[in-house]
Amino acid sequence: DTAVSQTPKYLVTQMGNDKSIKCEQNLGHDTMYWYKQDSKKFLKIMFSYNNKELIINETVPNRFSPKSPDKAHLNLHINSLELGDSAVYFCASSRDREYSPLHFGNGTRLTVT
Amino acid sequence: EDQVTQSPEALRLQEGESSSLNCSYTVSGLRGLFWYRQDPGKGPEFLFTLYSAGEEKEKERLKATLTKKESFLHITAPKPEDSATYLCAVQAGGNKLVFGAGTILRVKS
Repeated sequence: DTAVSQTPKYLVTQMGNDKSIKCEQNLGHDTMYWYKQDSKKFLKIMFSYNNKELIINETVPNRFSPKSPDKAHLNLHINSLELGDSAVYFCASSRDREYSPLHFGNGTRLTVT
Repeated sequence: EDQVTQSPEALRLQEGESSSLNCSYTVSGLRGLFWYRQDPGKGPEFLFTLYSAGEEKEKERLKATLTKKESFLHITAPKPEDSATYLCAVQAGGNKLVFGAGTILRVKS
């Protein structure tokens, strides 16, 4: 059973398009996250939701919009994709807001051409 | 600003050759330091959490230690299956983790 699953695994699209990445966790965790891993391998937080409430919103272009329909799902919608959006996007979850380790999905590699 | 620096960037070891990875950090009010392992094409996998200076955690061939300025991940008698990128992250206030760039470990048989 996959704990944190995200789809698709690969996403190749052209500049200007709109795309979505979906994430689901079956761990019963209250908090979910989106992280971006760039070409230098740094993982940076983008958003965090706790029980469907947005609690972290880093300096991310407003073309990125997270949506959490319930505490087991956190989707990421990206409008007007740009070349610089190419990266690997990871979804993660944790039991609570602080101190608990994160459980990551296997990532979505987004390539914008 | 919270910062995490990992060294070396890459490390090649022979099977059985023990070594250590370093994670130095600057953070105001450390709440926890986390070590993760990341295999190619996969998400990071949690290894350890350390909360206070002097704390140590062990798992198989790995041992993590923490001081007020840095953490070490000691690998004893590594095997090829220990090859991966090891990531260190710190948590200050809230639930935001700040990650280092990682150390790529290759263990040759």
